[in-house]
Amino acid sequence: EPEVTQTPSHQVTQMGQEVILRCVPISNHLYFYWYRQILGQKVEFLVSFYNNEISEKSEIFDDQFSVERPDGSNFTLKIRSTKLEDSAMYFCASSEKGYNEQFFGPGTRLTVL
Amino acid sequence: QKEVEQNSGPLSVPEGAIASLNCTYSDRGSQSFFWYRQYSGKSPELIMFIYSNGDKEDGRFTAQLNKASQYVSLLIRDSQPSDSATYLCAVWGPNFGNEKLTFGTGTRLTIIP
Repeated sequence: EPEVTQTPSHQVTQMGQEVILRCVPISNHLYFYWYRQILGQKVEFLVSFYNNEISEKSEIFDDQFSVERPDGSNFTLKIRSTKLEDSAMYFCASSEKGYNEQFFGPGTRLTVL
Repeated sequence: QKEVEQNSGPLSVPEGAIASLNCTYSDRGSQSFFWYRQYSGKSPELIMFIYSNGDKEDGRFTAQLNKASQYVSLLIRDSQPSDSATYLCAVWGPNFGNEKLTFGTGTRLTIIP
């Protein structure tokens, strides 16, 4: 069964460093998303991406964040200068259409020291 | 502010009994409703979705939607210890945002053997 994959599973970085989180969405899906979940809190939307551009972003997704689809399969989230409060699980998701079910990858645990 | 509300639990149910999980949402324009299961440290896993008023059954799971009351529920029949997890209600609707899912905080379910 097709699934969303993410790498790395765990990333440890120093405050102020740049990180890139990678995702491979399900191959026939057109809509891609990043969510995050701070430990013990709810899943929060960051950004949605369709047709090679951001279609929506939350207030969390400020100038330090960017997304890219560098080739036909990968979808990346870059955090330019990490802060302690960026420590969270980051989930990539994809869906075939914009309004139907979204399938989540296993997540990347980001720890900022 | 558009909200999705769930009782955080924990909800304890004996093995073999019916577990009932509830969710309310604030935006009457919401159109699609999803139940995800999340084991500790793992990503959300889609269980069911429902778009229309009424019941939708899939194996041991039944989703119920009442748009007039802005209420969606998930019933789990013949509960098993493996059902012990946090259950996330997620809502999609144009007033929440074009494509994103808005999640509740989740209900932690424990099945007692």
